[in-house]
Amino acid sequence: DAKTTQPPSMDCAEGRAANLPCNHSTISGNEYVYWYRQIHSQGPQYIIHGLKNNETNEMASLIITEDRKSSTLILPHATLRDTAVYYCIVRVAGVGGGGADGLTFGKGTHLIIQP
Amino acid sequence: DTAVSQTPKYLVTQMGNDKSIKCEQNLGHDTMYWYKQDSKKFLKIMFSYNNKELIINETVPNRFSPKSPDKAHLNLHINSLELGDSAVYFCASSQDLTSAPRGYTFGSGTRLTVV
Repeated sequence: DAKTTQPPSMDCAEGRAANLPCNHSTISGNEYVYWYRQIHSQGPQYIIHGLKNNETNEMASLIITEDRKSSTLILPHATLRDTAVYYCIVRVAGVGGGGADGLTFGKGTHLIIQP
Repeated sequence: DTAVSQTPKYLVTQMGNDKSIKCEQNLGHDTMYWYKQDSKKFLKIMFSYNNKELIINETVPNRFSPKSPDKAHLNLHINSLELGDSAVYFCASSQDLTSAPRGYTFGSGTRLTVV
């Protein structure tokens, strides 16, 4: 799997957009970018994923640079409940894409939403 | 209804004891997993089970043994507990081995403390 680099921690004011960066400069053409988050005392939760196009769902938006070497997860209106550790994972989809080999979580970014 | 449930949530035990952690999923998934999150917060896969068959076994001590009585359950039995086994253990499931990482559902974890 391609290695990812994320800042260890970030602060964001409640109600503002939280922008979480991730570098994945060695990403391969068939690897997707996945984002998970882990709220304190809970298991990881899937947020969003993408290959090369920008993606949006009810939780967040994912912006992937044209060269695919980095991406940004955007929480448009952060709330206190968004305080969590956010993990950026690069992985192929399908067999071997998290099934047979599991998911590899790095240290992630600890996002703290300030009231 | 909780999709992936683990019991107990907390477990404190003495060195040398044998203990089990139970996991149940009501999602109809074919594949279940055990992950370990250590004191440094790294989350690593330990086992995968697909249709009651062990698919992978990462380099974990053979004191750890997953047991699956049926597709909806994957228990983790640990013999001769050691101090280093203290961690949070997460159960997860996915539809099958070909599920992309987006398809993972994690339980809320079992915090094991060995004294």
